[in-house]
Amino acid sequence: DAKTTQPTSMDCAEGRAANLPCNHSTISGNEYVYWYRQIHSQGPQYIIHGLKNNETNEMASLIITEDRKSSTLILPHATLRDTAVYYCIVFFTYDYKLSFGAGTTVTVRA
Amino acid sequence: DGGITQSPKYLFRKEGQNVTLSCEQNLNHDAMYWYRQDPGQGLRLIYYSQIVNDFQKGDIAEGYSVSREKKESFPLTVTSAQKNPTAFYLCASRTGGYNGELFFGEGSRLTVL
Repeated sequence: DAKTTQPTSMDCAEGRAANLPCNHSTISGNEYVYWYRQIHSQGPQYIIHGLKNNETNEMASLIITEDRKSSTLILPHATLRDTAVYYCIVFFTYDYKLSFGAGTTVTVRA
Repeated sequence: DGGITQSPKYLFRKEGQNVTLSCEQNLNHDAMYWYRQDPGQGLRLIYYSQIVNDFQKGDIAEGYSVSREKKESFPLTVTSAQKNPTAFYLCASRTGGYNGELFFGEGSRLTVL
């Protein structure tokens, strides 16, 4: 079963930062937080992952709270092409059962 | 190029027929997965396999079967026992270790008439 809770949907203005929250209160010490996004009718795309330190790549930043019970994915300058469903999942690298939740539908508006 | 190939992309079948969806990967990944997605819904895990000749049921395995005879292949059969087979099916693979990123195929859309 999915171990994360995300809001069902959110809107964002084009050019503004989009902050996507995720709660994972039962996360264990060796579980990573991964973010994926799915644009309509395509396979999900990897965005970023982290363990306890904040991470940044060319697509996004990931902020993980000190107690690791929640995290925030930040899209720094949202574009219309960032409209998608965003999934937050947690798993240990040797944990092979990977279940997704419903994700957050992000709509970027012009 | 390395990746995951799912086929067919679109498939139409009559009710009561078994259907097999293909998933092939050349990423040398040990683990492979099948997910089902219904309109407006998230991904639900059907089956997964950690290694060749081994697989486990996911959250919604009833009415489906799989095999893992080769590392690169993980076909999914949607049997006539599956009550509502019309859906979008996604295959994924990953390696173990620190960088356990999931790679997804482009999906197969099955419509049962």
